[in-house]
Amino acid sequence: GENVEQHPSTLSVQEGDSAVIKCTYSDSASNYFPWYKQELGKGPQLIIDIRSNVGEKKDQRIAVTLNKTAKHFSLHITETQPEDSAVYFCAAPFSSNTGKLIFGQGTTLQVKP
Amino acid sequence: AAGVIQSPRHLIKEKRETATLKCYPIPRHDTVYWYQQGPGQDPQFLISFYEKMQSDKGSIPDRFSAQQFSDYHSELNMSSLELGDSALYFCASSLDFYNEQFFGPGTRLTVL
Repeated sequence: GENVEQHPSTLSVQEGDSAVIKCTYSDSASNYFPWYKQELGKGPQLIIDIRSNVGEKKDQRIAVTLNKTAKHFSLHITETQPEDSAVYFCAAPFSSNTGKLIFGQGTTLQVKP
Repeated sequence: AAGVIQSPRHLIKEKRETATLKCYPIPRHDTVYWYQQGPGQDPQFLISFYEKMQSDKGSIPDRFSAQQFSDYHSELNMSSLELGDSALYFCASSLDFYNEQFFGPGTRLTVL
């Protein structure tokens, strides 16, 4: 069935360290993988995404890698800052070709000053 | 840049009442999605529209209905509200099925 598994559920790092969040998906037809950052009381904010025709994408301190064979993708944040503290969700569209997103369970990232 | 607009931002209703949530997509976006997010949960897909037609449906109760109007704004109508309907409701818009979805700030619905 439609499923996205996300780990870890919580992650605490020191400012300046790197953070890695991993997701696996079940639908091999999925071809688009966005990552959202959600701060308390706000809507999910798209921070980076990757399509299945590339293996890695970077945007300043954040990067996403995709392994289609293993059906997993990861978010990497380098040089973390306190303002990176938030809940991060991975997502993938499933089967229906209507763009419906299935989300991972979320990772609460805490960056300690 | 223009973002997705949702109204109202907060809504308090009694059990068995009706609520209407509104969503105004980013200009030129003709695809709208509705998601429900419970406390500490991930967003769950409810329903979507493309060019004013329903394009997909998730685990949306029969008590809920939605539509997309000629100006592409969308409304989610919720009747016979239950305590369990208390949640954040997000609208997202995109250019089409294959492009990024941008989320609005959400409507926090509280059912008492």
